Amino acid sequence: QKEVEQDPGPLSVPEGAIVSLNCTYSNSAFQYFMWYRQYSRKGPELLMYTYSSGNKEDGRFTAQVDKSSKYISLFIRDSQPSDSATYLCAMSGAAGNKLTFGGGTRVLVKP
Amino acid sequence: KAGVTQTPRYLIKTRGQQVTLSCSPISGHRSVSWYQQTPGQGLQFLFEYFSETQRNKGNFPGRFSGRQFSNSRSEMNVSTLELGDSALYLCASSSADSGYTFGSGTRLTVV
Repeated sequence: QKEVEQDPGPLSVPEGAIVSLNCTYSNSAFQYFMWYRQYSRKGPELLMYTYSSGNKEDGRFTAQVDKSSKYISLFIRDSQPSDSATYLCAMSGAAGNKLTFGGGTRVLVKP
Repeated sequence: KAGVTQTPRYLIKTRGQQVTLSCSPISGHRSVSWYQQTPGQGLQFLFEYFSETQRNKGNFPGRFSGRQFSNSRSEMNVSTLELGDSALYLCASSSADSGYTFGSGTRLTVV
């Protein structure tokens, strides 16, 4: 079993809908949680960076971390076709430690 | 502020050859990490350098090595290339409170 599980999708939504993404993990030592967006043939782009449990909002993006359930989520409001990409969750046990990634969820936002 | 710069963007090498990839981190970032991304295995951690010292190493054979210079620029080297080394190699730089910022990667094809 992988340390970080993420549904590969694809997840298809109409433009303007809320995109809901999530990851589960097994390592209780993880404290730092990140979400990345990756377009084809590009490097991952950091969207959200959170520490421990709680919610964080940045523009159209909201990240939630529930350490008791070992479950993290990313919500994208008012989705746009330009949000079509692969979304990766990543986590680490301490700042500066290696990142452990989920396999990524492919998202398609249809006009 | 300039991002993480990786060179070259594309490489084609023959089995048995060696290759060196370069990464220039964001100015002020002292930590540089390297990851391998393949369709089958996703993103896997190779190694991390901080102030010219290797701080963490992933589960890759000794053919994969790296180093960091006093200006924080980093190189990774793969010797005796195998077909399975074909991948996107990503470099990320980080500071204590910024998360990991990735470059666009070097796409290596081994033929």
